[in-house]
Amino acid sequence: GESVGLHLPTLSVQEGDNSIINCAYSNSASDYFIWYKQESGKGPQFIIDIRSNMDKRQGQRVTVLLNKTVKHLSLQIAATQPGDSAVYFCAENSGGSNYKLTFGKGTLLTVNP
Amino acid sequence: NAGVTQTPKFQVLKTGQSMTLQCAQDMNHNSMYWYRQDPGMGLRLIYYSASEGTTDKGEVPNGYNVSRLNKREFSLRLESAAPSQTSVYFCASEKRDRSYEQYFGPGTRLTVT
Repeated sequence: GESVGLHLPTLSVQEGDNSIINCAYSNSASDYFIWYKQESGKGPQFIIDIRSNMDKRQGQRVTVLLNKTVKHLSLQIAATQPGDSAVYFCAENSGGSNYKLTFGKGTLLTVNP
Repeated sequence: NAGVTQTPKFQVLKTGQSMTLQCAQDMNHNSMYWYRQDPGMGLRLIYYSASEGTTDKGEVPNGYNVSRLNKREFSLRLESAAPSQTSVYFCASEKRDRSYEQYFGPGTRLTVT
């Protein structure tokens, strides 16, 4: 089956810098993408999502960019804070009657004070 | 509104023992999911229930059974635990309206010795 993957397993940034977490997907039929944040010892929490008919979507301090040409997804976090330290997962849904999200392996973001 | 709750939080089993992981949601969501998460890996889908009365296999169903008891509750059973089932188990629910956002519980950390 097709899967979602991440370019970088770990990312270390300084507090106040912007962070960019990347994700590659291989299923061209996927029409919905979602980013989750998982803090140590907790369940994943929703950050932001985007449909395939969009290229960009912004939330509070976060932006998701979707490049369907190269099947690439990125999560940008502005002014990264220590509380942003976590594992970030991207996931895709191929739509239709498919009820399943396919998750990537995750990127560990560490924010240094 | 508690969201998604899971019991127990921690469990240690001996090989061959059985147990049931409980999950409940109070958001009136239609779909529910069971995932396992192993170190350095993303979430892998074990079973899901698109709606009350239906269940389907996910990516890694072997060794597990599920019951969608009612709209609120979705349980995962290990009939004969094996060390390979040592993992963190997450339950999730999804409303399935305009998005595929899944809401996750806090997880159950299971160790099989």
